[in-house]
Amino acid sequence: SQQGEEDPQALSIQEGENATMNCSYKTSINNLQWYRQNSGRGLVHLILIRSNEREKHSGRLRVTLDTSKKSSSLLITASRAADTASYFCATDEETGAQKLVFGQGTRLTINP
Amino acid sequence: GAVVSQHPSRVICKSGTSVKIECRSLDFQATTMFWYRQFPKQSLMLMATSNEGSKATYEQGVEKDKFLINHASLTLSTLTVTSAHPEDSSFYICSARDQLMGPLHFGNGTRLTVT
Repeated sequence: SQQGEEDPQALSIQEGENATMNCSYKTSINNLQWYRQNSGRGLVHLILIRSNEREKHSGRLRVTLDTSKKSSSLLITASRAADTASYFCATDEETGAQKLVFGQGTRLTINP
Repeated sequence: GAVVSQHPSRVICKSGTSVKIECRSLDFQATTMFWYRQFPKQSLMLMATSNEGSKATYEQGVEKDKFLINHASLTLSTLTVTSAHPEDSSFYICSARDQLMGPLHFGNGTRLTVT
């Protein structure tokens, strides 16, 4: 079952602006991960944040995690046209099942 | 980095036939692989967890006799869609981890069209 809810479902911004996507989840987790998917392709892992971490950076990406609110955000700074894709959060639950549960995704469009 | 290869990328078949999709971990061993299904503009739905040397674990609502999974080696899992129907048309994606609780590495997916 899907437990991640992402917001917004779609986001369209101008190149150079920052893009923020949010994700909420319902159960206790080991970690939360963000993925990117270009149309018709597989997913590419972007960043993983563990449950005991609050913020993580990777290049132009910044991820925050608030376990008390069961939410996370992904910020892409200085967006580029090539950032156009769908972005998904995924939670690694504490059940030990090792499976990831994906959110509904945010479709990001960067306009040149 | 860890690479997962999925084949074929596209397949068109007629109703009633079976289709096999292969998922290979190219540079690591995967005791567990995951099969997802994705409808257009929607999220990924986990279908089953493929376990090397044992039976797959299917998610609720997924017919195990319809979607046969075989994980005969540490680098290969296959998904066979049996007696395919048009409603089985979808994008199927496999994935695997090269480290416990690490990120998933995805294949490029298979676009299945059943006519």
